[in-house]
Amino acid sequence: NAGVTQTPKFRVLKTGQSMTLLCAQDMNHEYMYWYRQDPGMGLRLIHYSVGEGTTAKGEVPDGYNVSRLKKQNFLLGLESAAPSQTSVYFCASRPPPMDNEQFFGPGTRLTVL
Amino acid sequence: AQKVTQAQTEISVVEKEDVTLDCVYETRDTTYYLFWYKQPPSGELVFLIRRNSFDEQNEISGRYSWNFQKSTSSFNFTITASQVVDSAVYFCALSEGRVNQGGKLIFGQGTELSVKP
Repeated sequence: NAGVTQTPKFRVLKTGQSMTLLCAQDMNHEYMYWYRQDPGMGLRLIHYSVGEGTTAKGEVPDGYNVSRLKKQNFLLGLESAAPSQTSVYFCASRPPPMDNEQFFGPGTRLTVL
Repeated sequence: AQKVTQAQTEISVVEKEDVTLDCVYETRDTTYYLFWYKQPPSGELVFLIRRNSFDEQNEISGRYSWNFQKSTSSFNFTITASQVVDSAVYFCALSEGRVNQGGKLIFGQGTELSVKP
């Protein structure tokens, strides 16, 4: 099993450009999450999904959109990138029940100039 | 509101010293779950342990041990006889038990541990 994979690993954008980050998991997990990690702030939840076709906002959703058209994939979109979105983005998935740990992808380092 | 506080931003120790990383949490739920993750310099997040709110039993795994105390809302992590390979950022996280919360994690700010030879 590949576990949780993220594409791309690195990306540099100019302000105003758009892009999509892809998260894929091969563990048949119901729940998927997108976090961003910034220095001194830990990881903060952007959006999450409790199943195929469902998404919900997390703590810092502004400027991002997500889609979960297939159970194994969770896409994070930036429609008009801003320098404040420079961060490391982590995707995670987990199976039920509620006490299971989340399995994280390797992260995507995004720089917005 | 849920919150996790790791007051120690950075800790530096010399190899073989014992070190304790503090974690204090806030939640109104009676059912919740606590986690520790390790982030080595390579950047990935490695799961270390989970504990549910009904299980206050301390746990030991090799050189690692965890002390969960509901009375003080703390879930502290101790590394005994630290090694250079323990150098990493350690995150404590909280997940509430209600299904409609989706099992999302609230992370602390992280503690960067540096173990010097």
